[in-house]
Amino acid sequence: EDQVTQSPEALRLQEGESSSLNCSYTVSGLRGLFWYRQDPGKGPEFLFTLYSAGEEKEKERLKATLTKKESFLHITAPKPEDSATYLCAVQGGSEKLVFGKGTKLTVNP
Amino acid sequence: EAGVTQSPTHLIKTRGQQATLRCSPISGHTSVYWYQQALGLGLQFLLWYDEGEERNRGNFPPRFSGRQFPNYSSELNVNALELEDSALYLCASSFFGWYNQPQHFGDGTRLSIL
Repeated sequence: EDQVTQSPEALRLQEGESSSLNCSYTVSGLRGLFWYRQDPGKGPEFLFTLYSAGEEKEKERLKATLTKKESFLHITAPKPEDSATYLCAVQGGSEKLVFGKGTKLTVNP
Repeated sequence: EAGVTQSPTHLIKTRGQQATLRCSPISGHTSVYWYQQALGLGLQFLLWYDEGEERNRGNFPPRFSGRQFPNYSSELNVNALELEDSALYLCASSFFGWYNQPQHFGDGTRLSIL
């Protein structure tokens, strides 16, 4: 059964303090790993898709990387508006998208 | 470009009743997915529809069902509501199929069971 574990559950940073969020996964036949951002009361907003180990993608202050067992979402010099819950999901041979429980990021000014 | 739209925003029901939730996908998207986001459990996959057909189903009882209309909009029906059905129900859409296609989400319907 495909599984996704995200850590930490919650992370508090000061504005400008860089850090990383972790997504560990087990999946049969990875087809894609997806990162989403979810603000309170909203649906998840798509950020990145990664398909194979070694792949990296960047968007503004965010950079996602992928290995065979985990993915990292690096946040460089975060701002308060980066505060949100970040969700990781994998798609494997079962075709179902399996989500982790997310990391709630708070960036204090 | 309009995103995925869901209605109603909130829905309050009592145990045993039936609920109907609606979703309009992004223009051009043919696949619609439904998820349940209950407190502390994360997003759980419910159903996938494409071209009017149910393509895949999550580990939910048969009282969770739905359909997709010719215009690709979709509805989710939940029969015999139970207290544990209280959750945010999210709809997502994509171009056909799972493969390499990111899903784009609406803001959900908050279903509360009293």
